[in-house]
Amino acid sequence: AQKITQTQPGMFVQEKEAVTLDCTYDTSDPSYGLFWYKQPSSGEMIFLIYQGSYDQQNATEGRYSLNFQKARKSANLVISASQLGDSAMYFCAMREEDTGNQFYFGTGTSLTVIP
Amino acid sequence: GAGVSQSPSNKVTEKGKDVELRCDPISGHTALYWYRQSLGQGLEFLIYFQGNSAPDKSGLPSDRFSAERTGGSVSTLTIQRTQQEDSAVYLCASSLFTWAGSNQPQHFGDGTRLSIL
Repeated sequence: AQKITQTQPGMFVQEKEAVTLDCTYDTSDPSYGLFWYKQPSSGEMIFLIYQGSYDQQNATEGRYSLNFQKARKSANLVISASQLGDSAMYFCAMREEDTGNQFYFGTGTSLTVIP
Repeated sequence: GAGVSQSPSNKVTEKGKDVELRCDPISGHTALYWYRQSLGQGLEFLIYFQGNSAPDKSGLPSDRFSAERTGGSVSTLTIQRTQQEDSAVYLCASSLFTWAGSNQPQHFGDGTRLSIL
């Protein structure tokens, strides 16, 4: 079974609008962390935001927020006030206690911001 | 340097040759990861090191692929008898070793773009 599932291969959003990128995960481990990365066309992987399994509140980092629904095992990334520079691939990843420091990545969502 | 350093940044070689890719992690990062990414695709996990040992080699595609890490720092990924399907970007990342719920992310290098002719 896939540890991380991203069901949206591609997404489009109008500039200045908000967009939600979906991520669901599969683990039986009570201790885990969820991460989102951005990969622009230049290729570098940029860490955006983190959510811990024990965190009571949804994580926020500037225009990025994480809609963490633990019972549903979802960790959707919300980007508010989209900018042209947000056009990139976005990857969701998980690290779980059982597997030590192994990271599992989803297949990614390509986001295009339309002017 | 402050970040993960990978070399070479680009490598073009003929089919059948051996190639060696290098990764220099962030100082103090004991966890090191190798991934492969084909054009427009996601990250394919290859191998993970904790210190000098590799608890998980399950992602290595074939016995032509090997990796080592010495001194708990620099790692090399070696591909023997390269095939055209090995063409991809090879990404290295490092992380502090910590508990799984920690907010320590992976830090990625810029990758090595490997092209097999």
